[in-house]
Amino acid sequence: QVQLQESGPGLVKPSETLSLTCTVSGYSVSSNYYWGWIRQPPGKGLEWIGTIFHSGNIYYNPSLKSRVSISLDTSNNQFSLRLTSVTAADTAVYYCARDRRYFDWSFEYWGQGTLVTVSS
Amino acid sequence: QTVVTQEPSFSVSPGGTVTLTCGLTSGSVSTSYYPSWYQQTPGQAPRTLIYNTNTRSSGVPDRFSGSILGNKAALTITGAQADDDSDYYCVLYMYSGNNYVFGTGTKVTVL
Repeated sequence: QVQLQESGPGLVKPSETLSLTCTVSGYSVSSNYYWGWIRQPPGKGLEWIGTIFHSGNIYYNPSLKSRVSISLDTSNNQFSLRLTSVTAADTAVYYCARDRRYFDWSFEYWGQGTLVTVSS
Repeated sequence: QTVVTQEPSFSVSPGGTVTLTCGLTSGSVSTSYYPSWYQQTPGQAPRTLIYNTNTRSSGVPDRFSGSILGNKAALTITGAQADDDSDYYCVLYMYSGNNYVFGTGTKVTVL
């Protein structure tokens, strides 16, 4: 059973950096799939942030590319998100998910999500 | 910036049929966009319903089906049940930019 769990601070100050980690169980992040981040502002729709593969391939949403970085920690079976210079517009529930890129281009096995609020 | 459009809302009676669509503001959706569909209830993570246009995810009831209708991807719920009262999102793979774009979402009310 593949499970994903997001963790990180629930409150970040404007202009600072948002950092989240997704811990994967039941499957190795070093294996065949990509791993991604998606977010959802309160009351709004979903937005893809980016995706990483263990080989080092990384893809980012062009609208966030200048502020976002995703990394992989194979020793702890985790992957992480960093978003710099945050504003209130970055307040959202952040989800991690397995990305079936190059298989059928869909997301499966979602984390439960974690709310990050940007406020002073 | 590519915009993927969905109807804002639909209402369907229990046992009825509803078809949601997923389109592009510029161009047609084809199987090359690998449309997938997700169901989300308030406070919950999305659940994968359909991938690769028309393949149901494991455990998804067969009342959910995916297709291409004209120039859009479509999700049809046949024999709607109270449990289907949810938000539905499509996702398209944009091969030109090698990225994903979520649709604007459709709220389906079963009453």
